[in-house]
Amino acid sequence: RKEVEQDPGPFNVPEGATVAFNCTYSNSASQSFFWYRQDCRKEPKLLMSVYSSGNEDGRFTAQLNRASQYISLLIRDSKLSDSATYLCVVLAPNTDKLIFGTGTRLQVFP
Amino acid sequence: ETGVTQTPRHLVMGMTNKKSLKCEQHLGHNAMYWYKQSAKKPLELMFVYSLEERVENNSVPSRFSPECPNSSHLFLHLHTLQPEDSALYLCASSSAGDGNYGYTFGSGTRLTVV
Repeated sequence: RKEVEQDPGPFNVPEGATVAFNCTYSNSASQSFFWYRQDCRKEPKLLMSVYSSGNEDGRFTAQLNRASQYISLLIRDSKLSDSATYLCVVLAPNTDKLIFGTGTRLQVFP
Repeated sequence: ETGVTQTPRHLVMGMTNKKSLKCEQHLGHNAMYWYKQSAKKPLELMFVYSLEERVENNSVPSRFSPECPNSSHLFLHLHTLQPEDSALYLCASSSAGDGNYGYTFGSGTRLTVV
């Protein structure tokens, strides 16, 4: 089983749509979780951390379900500029090592 | 401009060449990482340096040789590479023990082995 698993997509959505990405992780001892965004031919950049209580940053909402070992990212009112690959990332327990999923590609069209 | 700078941005090298990738961070971090990103694969962790000591080597072939002379600089020395080593090589840094804050990545070196 992969350590971090994501649907690669692509997700093609119109502007203004709401889109959700899911991710599962295999190590139940994992404690820290993130979503990174990677634009084409660019480096990954931290989008947001994922907290147990769920957290929101503008149009972006992240949720964590520890029992199911599942992380989600919801994007509301999609913009063209949201087109990118979204990487689900888990911090390996008791380390500083980040484990990356393959990413989910989002394409927002006019 | 990120606080992590990688050079060169692009590199084409033959299988018999020797080259080095350079990474420099200006964030006061004390842990640095090399990742490899190939098409349709997740980022693969290659090496971890924490407080200038190598703490992780993920079964990377010996044709890749890292060097960390101080907490701000990280190198990846390359020799006798194979075409399948063509990929985006990303450097990242963080504060050791503060993995909860994620990494800062450099822009990467896109390597093509011919």
